[in-house]
Amino acid sequence: NAGVTQTPKFQVLKTGQSMTLQCAQDMNHEYMSWYRQDPGMGLRLIHYSVGAGITDQGEVPNGYNVSRSTTEDFPLRLLSAAPSQTSVYFCASRQGAWTEAFFGQGTRLTVV
Amino acid sequence: GENVEQHPSTLSVQEGDSAVIKCTYSDSASNYFPWYKQELGKGPQLIIDIRSNVGEKKDQRIAVTLNKTAKHFSLHITETQPEDSAVYFCAAITGGFKTIFGAGTRLFVKA
Repeated sequence: NAGVTQTPKFQVLKTGQSMTLQCAQDMNHEYMSWYRQDPGMGLRLIHYSVGAGITDQGEVPNGYNVSRSTTEDFPLRLLSAAPSQTSVYFCASRQGAWTEAFFGQGTRLTVV
Repeated sequence: GENVEQHPSTLSVQEGDSAVIKCTYSDSASNYFPWYKQELGKGPQLIIDIRSNVGEKKDQRIAVTLNKTAKHFSLHITETQPEDSAVYFCAAITGGFKTIFGAGTRLFVKA
């Protein structure tokens, strides 16, 4: 059982480039979310989804897009990378609103 | 807006001692409080959680207490071991999907 799988693990982008961070889960969870982790700031919610076809903004959504065409996949798109988006990104899934979140291994993104 | 304050940011203890991490939340509607452990290079993993209708929960060396009146909850680790060294995050969840994380506590257990 793979759980939550994120790719890539590391990425370096130039300012202005776009890219997609991939996230897939095999637990049939309805809830999926993307967080960014910055030193001293914990985990901040970027976007989330409560089911296929349904997405919404979290605390820090600017500069990011998401879509949820299937239950399994929840990709995060950076439209035009900026140095302020240098961070570690985590995807998480959960069965319901008040249940344990399962996190992927993270993607360390550097924007130069 | 809603927030969760977590203290201390760094905690160093001797192996075998106890460690306590405290969190305070602002949204009185929060009703689920998980604690996550994050090891280097990995994603956070749930270690214990508590719901608002419970005051205390214990799982072997780990316990969590909740004071809803004061909006405080704490993580207690007894008989600490070097493998307990990690970053610990508290979180408070309000109805729907709103999860607010604390800033994290880096725990060092010295052998």
